[in-house]
Formats: sequence, structure tokens, C-alpha cells
Amino acid sequence: DTAVSQTPKYLVTQMGNDKSIKCEQNLGHDTMYWYKQDSKKFLKIMFSYNNKELIINETVPNRFSPKSPDKAHLNLHINSLELGDSAVYFCASSPRKTTGLAGPNEQFFGPGTRLTVL
Amino acid sequence: SQKIEQNSEALNIQEGKTATLTCNYTNYSPAYLQWYRQDPGRGPVFLLLIRENEKEKRKERLKVTFDTTLKQSLFHITASQPADSATYLCALDGTGTGRRALTFGSGTRLQVQP
Repeated sequence: DTAVSQTPKYLVTQMGNDKSIKCEQNLGHDTMYWYKQDSKKFLKIMFSYNNKELIINETVPNRFSPKSPDKAHLNLHINSLELGDSAVYFCASSPRKTTGLAGPNEQFFGPGTRLTVL
Repeated sequence: SQKIEQNSEALNIQEGKTATLTCNYTNYSPAYLQWYRQDPGRGPVFLLLIRENEKEKRKERLKVTFDTTLKQSLFHITASQPADSATYLCALDGTGTGRRALTFGSGTRLQVQP
């Protein structure tokens, strides 16, 4: 019974290529996120969607484009991959809306996708 | 500028002892503070959270304190076991921006020796 799943688990590719990472949650949550965890283990928010609507878009290069076909899916497409994009990317979901301060924002994470750009 | 620090990058303790991990922050006003566990090659897993108006929260062998004056949270694991070995992340929730994204510390890697 996987709650938040991501594919692929590992992704090795050449600089300049375009790649996608898929995420699905079966928790019925309203909000989904993409985080990037670098080599120093910092988890940083990239994007957040609430019911297919983009809520958070941090200062991420335009080469990164999230797409949410429905509230259970949030995919991440990356164009023109660069060496610095190598990291682990985590998808997460939360039952809370991203706007407003009603209640805590406990998050459920996927297993991560380790992206290596050569 | 806003900053979160987990004071120890790594902490080694003997089985049975209490592990204490520290999370300090500056220039934030979180409504909640959360703690997560992350095992190698896996995503973070939520453990527990504490509200800004709570001083202490317990769950089984875990205890969290939250001092909004000191801007600090302490995370304790009592009667530690080798299975508790993992990286523990603190996260600030409700930073007042209205965007509700979590802001994570870099984590403390705990190693419990048998």
C-alpha cells in the first residue's frame, strides 16, 4: 500500500538532456510538493500544487516545470539538464491547503529520485 | 536572514542512553515545529510536531520541547536502540508567509552503538 510513489528511483543522464520524474499519492491529499535535497542534505521546497493549482514556485530555473494533471499526480519535467541539477528529488503530499494557517502541515514523502547528471 | 541550525551534524551514543538533538532558528515565527526521521535512501517520515503554545510533547520514547523565546527545540529519544540510528530533521511550519511550505534544517545523523 504505497502512499506516495515516485518513478524512477534512479536517473542517470547526460548534460543537456530532458527528463521527467513522476509522482502519485493515494492518500486523497489536496496539496503536493517537490523538494530538492542536495549533497549537504538540505531539503528545499521547489514547488507546491493545491488541487492542480500552482501555489508555491520558489526561485527555481525555468528549466524546471511541474505539471499536475489531477490532484493525485504531480510530475516534474526538467529541460537542458545541468551538472548542478544532480540531487535527490522528493515528492510529498499534505492534507492541508498551502494558503492559510489553519492547522499543522504534516507531510508525507515519497522514496525520492536520485538524479545524476554526467 | 532566516536560518535554521541543527547543532550537531552527527551524534554517537551508547544503547540505552538518551539522545538529545537540538534545532535552533532565527528570524522565523513558526506556528508549529515538526520532527522527521530519514533513513539512507528513503524519504523523511513524520514523527511528531509541537505547537508554538506548547512547551513539551511526548510520544512513546520521544519527547520534544519548544522554546519560542530561545527559538529552540530539543528532541529526545530515551532508552535509545540501534534501530533509532538515522538522520533526524527539524522543520518549521507556518512561517507567517501564508505559503505553508516547510523549512527544514540540515539534519543530525544519530548513531546508537550496541
